[in-house]
Amino acid sequence: DAKTTQPNSMESNEEEPVHLPCNHSTISGTDYIHWYRQLPSQGPEYVIHGLTSNVNNRMASLAIAEDRKSSTLILHRATLRDAAVYYCILRDVWDYKLSFGAGTTVTVRA
Amino acid sequence: NAGVTQTPKFQVLKTGQSMTLQCAQDMNHNSMYWYRQDPGMGLRLIYYSASEGTTDKGEVPNGYNVSRLNKREFSLRLESAAPSQTSVYFCASSEFRTQEYEQYFGPGTRLTVT
Repeated sequence: DAKTTQPNSMESNEEEPVHLPCNHSTISGTDYIHWYRQLPSQGPEYVIHGLTSNVNNRMASLAIAEDRKSSTLILHRATLRDAAVYYCILRDVWDYKLSFGAGTTVTVRA
Repeated sequence: NAGVTQTPKFQVLKTGQSMTLQCAQDMNHNSMYWYRQDPGMGLRLIYYSASEGTTDKGEVPNGYNVSRLNKREFSLRLESAAPSQTSVYFCASSEFRTQEYEQYFGPGTRLTVT
């Protein structure tokens, strides 16, 4: 399985943008890039995913490098509720399974 | 629409006891999953069921059994609990579409084995 590398932790101020990097230098052409987050004492929840093009939804934006070896999850205006562990996951297009790493713990300061 | 529900929410077992964790989803998903999460770590896949009638091992299946009871329900059984199985257990479900793929997770079961 292709692996991802994320920083252990990041801090942000409320109402400021947060850019979460993810490196995946061994990504294959059929790997989707998924982001999930896990709020304290809850199960993970889907944030966004993409293949080659940048993606936007109501929660976040996903910027994918042209060579696809890295990506960045962007939270446009962090709120206290965005404090969570964020997981960057690669999933082959034909695979059912997600493989979670340790993720990035995001702390948001009021 | 409850999504994915899990019972119980908390459980304490003694070493050697058995128990079954229950999971149900009301989204008509074909695929269901069981994960465990140890403190400070990411989730690890125990077993999954791609569709009703099939089950497959994940990354850490030893010490567990599963049953896909019907399309809605997927249970996880610990036959003889060990302290190493102290963890938070999450169930998830998904509909498999190659491009639009999202797993929905339950709230978790916090299991302590003494």
